[in-house]
Amino acid sequence: AQTVTQSQPEMSVQEAETVTLSCTYDTSESNYYLFWYKQPPSRQMILVIRQEAYKQQNATENRFSVNFQKAAKSFSLKISDSQLGDTAMYFCAFIGNEKLTFGTGTRLTIIP
Amino acid sequence: DTGVSQDPRHKITKRGQNVTFRCDPISEHNRLYWYRQTLGQGPEFLTYFQNEAQLEKSRLLSDRFSAERPKGSFSTLEIQRTEQGDSAMYLCASSLVPSYEQYFGPGTRLTVT
Repeated sequence: AQTVTQSQPEMSVQEAETVTLSCTYDTSESNYYLFWYKQPPSRQMILVIRQEAYKQQNATENRFSVNFQKAAKSFSLKISDSQLGDTAMYFCAFIGNEKLTFGTGTRLTIIP
Repeated sequence: DTGVSQDPRHKITKRGQNVTFRCDPISEHNRLYWYRQTLGQGPEFLTYFQNEAQLEKSRLLSDRFSAERPKGSFSTLEIQRTEQGDSAMYLCASSLVPSYEQYFGPGTRLTVT
């Protein structure tokens, strides 16, 4: 069974600063995908970034980038130049056998 | 592309009543998923369909829960004889095989009193 662990229940950072959210996972599969989803307060889940396990290059989407360490089974999200609109719950998720397994989330607050 | 839609957005019901939720996926997506999310937790997988076939059900899906996807389009999730423990956000997501990216709807928040 796959497990996803997010060890930071809450984080806060000043606007324009950089913040890194941690995620570790456990799986015996060799081919899988990892995602970070954002869930703003009372709004729907939005895909932020994805990483294919077979790719060594870390994914980047504008201000969002990941640090994927396959051997360590680590998948952290870095948000650069944080903005007030980044305030949300962030979920790390794993998919290897058709269904997503989510972590418990990190509540990120951007302070003006 | 109008995105994934869910109806209703909120449902308050009394214990013991039956409820039904609807999900309309992105039109060309052939995979449809249901998840349940309780407060402060990540979503948990319930079941998924490829076209009209239900391919997997979680152990979380008791006999009181049933899901359908007639004709491979919209899907319904029914909960019979609701219990207070069923109170949660029910999320629907869809994807296009072979992509693993799932797109979520806004969810249906169920409150059982």
